[in-house]
Amino acid sequence: GENVEQHPSTLSVQEGDSAVIKCTYSDSASNYFPWYKQELGKGPQLIIDIRSNVGEKKDQRIAVTLNKTAKHFSLHITETQPEDSAVYFCAASNDYKLSFGAGTTVTVRA
Amino acid sequence: DAGITQSPRYKITETGRQVTLMCHQTWSHSYMFWYRQDLGHGLRLIYYSAAADITDKGEVPDGYVVSRSKTENFPLTLESATRSQTSVYFCASSVSPRGEQYFGPGTRLTVT
Repeated sequence: GENVEQHPSTLSVQEGDSAVIKCTYSDSASNYFPWYKQELGKGPQLIIDIRSNVGEKKDQRIAVTLNKTAKHFSLHITETQPEDSAVYFCAASNDYKLSFGAGTTVTVRA
Repeated sequence: DAGITQSPRYKITETGRQVTLMCHQTWSHSYMFWYRQDLGHGLRLIYYSAAADITDKGEVPDGYVVSRSKTENFPLTLESATRSQTSVYFCASSVSPRGEQYFGPGTRLTVT
């Protein structure tokens, strides 16, 4: 099955700086790569996703890049704000079964 | 406008007891999922369902049973709870196979 590795496990950034989270996957057939944000005491919520026919996708301050050859994808958050503090999960899928990374706890320092 | 709800939100049970976690969605989404979340493992898929009366195993199905007699409900049963099943359980639903999954608020289960 699919194996997704996510790094780093924790990330502390100064407000206004950028944050980058990286994931690798093992199954070359995977073609859907979503990112979820989980706030304390809540369920995960989709923030952005990318499909294998696209190399990069942006939505305001967040962007995701995909390198299918190297089998890795990354989440970039620019101009971080306190409300960006949360746990972020990457995932990969080639059907409707998502395989998640272990998560990255992002803390934005004021 | 309830979306997807889970009950109970917190549950403490003893080893060997049967416990059922409920999941209800109001969107009539075809696909529903159960995940467990443990520190260091992210979310792992337990079972999923593509439609009423259609269910299949995920990554960690042992010790769990699901049913889906109605589109909106997807209960998860631990037939004989073990301490290793102490976890936070999330239910999710989606309208399409590779679309956004909408997660419920979770159930924190402790098995003593």
